[in-house]
Amino acid sequence: GQQVMQIPQYQHVQEGEDFTTYCNSSTTLSNIQWYKQRPGGHPVFLIQLVKSGEVKKQKRLTFQFGEAKKNSSLHITATQTTDVGTYFCAGAPGNTGKLIFGQGTTLQVKP
Amino acid sequence: DTGVSQNPRHKITKRGQNVTFRCDPISEHNRLYWYRQTLGQGPEFLTYFQNEAQLEKSRLLSDRFSAERPKGSFSTLEIQRTEQGDSAMYLCASSGPGSTMNSGANVLTFGAGSRLTVL
Repeated sequence: GQQVMQIPQYQHVQEGEDFTTYCNSSTTLSNIQWYKQRPGGHPVFLIQLVKSGEVKKQKRLTFQFGEAKKNSSLHITATQTTDVGTYFCAGAPGNTGKLIFGQGTTLQVKP
Repeated sequence: DTGVSQNPRHKITKRGQNVTFRCDPISEHNRLYWYRQTLGQGPEFLTYFQNEAQLEKSRLLSDRFSAERPKGSFSTLEIQRTEQGDSAMYLCASSGPGSTMNSGANVLTFGAGSRLTVL
């Protein structure tokens, strides 16, 4: 079946260090979305990427969509304690309306 | 607009009992999704509706699970004869035409979830 894999599962960084999480799909995606879930909270939408090779930035966050539309990455520059949480990628295979979520990368930031 | 509302927030039940969760989506959203999330995992797709039509249901979903959206507004998710393995957070999300950037999946707005514990 369709799978979306994320690595690493956990990442502990010192405040100010950079962080990257990677997302890979077993099938070509029509788009990819990224969500953040704070401890005890629910997933909150961050961004959507649609075009092959697309790069988008939100302040210290940089999102990329691979040329083959099967992988993506999220990079955070100079992490802050407010970045703590679990980051999920979610892919839309083909023209279906459903989103398949990865298992997430949990980020811990030490002050 | 109060966002996506889910009830109850917590449900503790004994194995073998039936439970029902309700989701009230954002009023102008035509799509409604149900996901299940266990500790340390990403949300697992269960089913989704466009208006009142159930467009897709996970093949992994047991026949004990059923979802409805009779008037294209709120939705219910019922689990019959609950098992301990059903213990999880059940998340509802909605999306609308305005959040579509292409013909694929919409951007989801999640509710706070309904946590089920089966004893």
